[in-house]
Amino acid sequence: GNSVTQMEGPVTLSEEAFLTINCTYTATGYPSLFWYVQYPGEGLQLLLKATKADDKGSNKGFEATYRKETTSFHLEKGSVQVSDSAVYFCALSSDPLNSGYSTLTFGKGTMLLVSP
Amino acid sequence: GAGVSQTPSNKVTEKGKYVELRCDPISGHTALYWYRQSLGQGPEFLIYFQGTGAADDSGLPNDRFFAVRPEGSVSTLKIQRTERGDSAVYLCASSLGGIARGDTQYFGPGTRLTVL
Repeated sequence: GNSVTQMEGPVTLSEEAFLTINCTYTATGYPSLFWYVQYPGEGLQLLLKATKADDKGSNKGFEATYRKETTSFHLEKGSVQVSDSAVYFCALSSDPLNSGYSTLTFGKGTMLLVSP
Repeated sequence: GAGVSQTPSNKVTEKGKYVELRCDPISGHTALYWYRQSLGQGPEFLIYFQGTGAADDSGLPNDRFFAVRPEGSVSTLKIQRTERGDSAVYLCASSLGGIARGDTQYFGPGTRLTVL
């Protein structure tokens, strides 16, 4: 079955530090990959996505590259801000049986804490 | 435009009681999903609707859980004879079509269910 593994948190960084949150996956077929973010007290929001191998998703200074050879989709940001403090979820969707629909499989989430 | 809304935002009930959780998807979205998020975990898929029909209910944990979407818009998740283990945040998401594996799902703020 499908699964997503994320690095455990919390990840604690100082403002302007470089961020990497690792994500690897197992899936049948050709999944699409997503990063969702959950800010304190808010719902899940799509941060970025990539739908095929070697695609790079990017948004708000975050980026992630779909690496089929390593089954990875690591999230990076060059310089984090206090406002980036949130829980980040890696997720995949696939439709291995060509049933015409797909659902999301999420990792457990990684909390990021950025201090001034 | 309006996003996905869920009511109530919080629900406290006693073991053995019946509860209903409501989801209003984004207007025009034909696909609707229910997920459950336990503390410290990522969301887990429960059920998927395409229009009025449940296309996949394989994530429902047992027959105490049931969901409907009679007119293809609002959906209600129903839980009978609640148990303490049902305590979680119940998330609803909708997407435009649901038929493409790269389709973006938009999440509501969730209903936090606490079973005493």
